[in-house]
Amino acid sequence: DIQMTQSPSSVSASVGDRVTITCRASQGISSWLAWYQQKPGKAPKLLIYAASSLQSGVPSRFSGSESGTDFTLTISSLQPEDFATYYCQQTKSFPLTFGGGTKVEIK
Amino acid sequence: QLQLQESGPGLVKPSETLSLTCTVSGGSISSTSHYWGWIRQPPGKGQEWIGSIYYSGSTYYNPSLNSRVTISVDTSKNQFFLKLRSVTAADTAVYFCARQQQLENCFDPWGQGTRVTVSS
Repeated sequence: DIQMTQSPSSVSASVGDRVTITCRASQGISSWLAWYQQKPGKAPKLLIYAASSLQSGVPSRFSGSESGTDFTLTISSLQPEDFATYYCQQTKSFPLTFGGGTKVEIK
Repeated sequence: QLQLQESGPGLVKPSETLSLTCTVSGGSISSTSHYWGWIRQPPGKGQEWIGSIYYSGSTYYNPSLNSRVTISVDTSKNQFFLKLRSVTAADTAVYFCARQQQLENCFDPWGQGTRVTVSS
């Protein structure tokens, strides 16, 4: 199975801050990676697929990038509605696997 | 707008079978561009993919659950189903159903989730 390791597990930030979350794959997955946002008691919401493609309707302050087996989700200017937990998922092969999550908290 | 809704018992006894239904509305489950998946999230943890099904009935399962899982589909009712046998407390989780992009293998949208507790 492909293991996905996210860091940090949590980050404290203020409105307007730039926030970066990293996800590392245990083996090469090319651009086969998705990012999700999940708020408490809600279902995950797809933000980015194919490592850097923004899902329709998602604000442009969210972006994704890759470097080898490292993937990054960046929120350019954190908004109040962005406080949530973010997960990565490798989409290259079965079994599909998720990272452990990064909680973005209010500083 | 496509919507998915999970339904089923919220409490299952150990060693019994967990059975859930996902009802799809606002679109056809017979789409040739999508799979339909089950994902679960234990309390305080991340997501675990359980398995996926195509409208034709072909399935992919997580090997960690493979021997206990069956996913099926009823295209006439626009529903797909999850059965998980011989459950234990470790199967306690929120269970989500979701549409899976056939090419990208990402999930969108998701159902709201249903909490299942395994306890006697």
